[in-house]
Amino acid sequence: GIQVEQSPPDLILQEGANSTLRCNFSDSVNNLQWFHQNPWGQLINLFYIPSGTKQNGRLSATTVATERYSLLYISSSQTTDSGVYFCAVVRLWNDYKLSFGAGTTVTVRA
Amino acid sequence: EPEVTQTPSHQVTQMGQEVILRCVPISNHLYFYWYRQILGQKVEFLVSFYNNEISEKSEIFDDQFSVERPDGSNFTLKIRSTKLEDSAMYFCASTPRTLTYEQYFGPGTRLTVT
Repeated sequence: GIQVEQSPPDLILQEGANSTLRCNFSDSVNNLQWFHQNPWGQLINLFYIPSGTKQNGRLSATTVATERYSLLYISSSQTTDSGVYFCAVVRLWNDYKLSFGAGTTVTVRA
Repeated sequence: EPEVTQTPSHQVTQMGQEVILRCVPISNHLYFYWYRQILGQKVEFLVSFYNNEISEKSEIFDDQFSVERPDGSNFTLKIRSTKLEDSAMYFCASTPRTLTYEQYFGPGTRLTVT
């Protein structure tokens, strides 16, 4: 199956700092989603971004499908940004199931 | 905004018991999924369901698991005889499968098997 690798595995930030999370994938995809898992375990859908760039408030994401990677940017981080960030992809012509990466655990300190 | 709902939010059961996890997908969606996440691990695909039948299942989805869409709105996951290793968060997801393949996730059911 498709391999999804996220880096770094852990990230500690001071409140107000900026950061970049990376997702590499091993095959062509027709779906890529970024999720934030909150302390209650819920998966919050951040972006659906199979290609291009999107922004939502302090978060933005860029996917370069031809080079098989995606980046999630967090600007002016807040303590509420803490949690695990997952990248998930659907392999092109696959049966639409999402394959998840192992996640990046972000801790934002006040 | 429409959303996927799941009940219960938390279920505790004894080993060997049957459990049914319930999901109500978004009403005009056509593809439905179950995923699970063992504590501290990544989210894993279990099964996909389309047109009232399973379209794909993972190695995890063995004979102890079954899915059903009993009434056109609910989508259920049944575990016949639970094991300790079934303890996990179970997520339901749905997608309209039109021009977009974005999957919409429910809040999850935390299953604890004792």
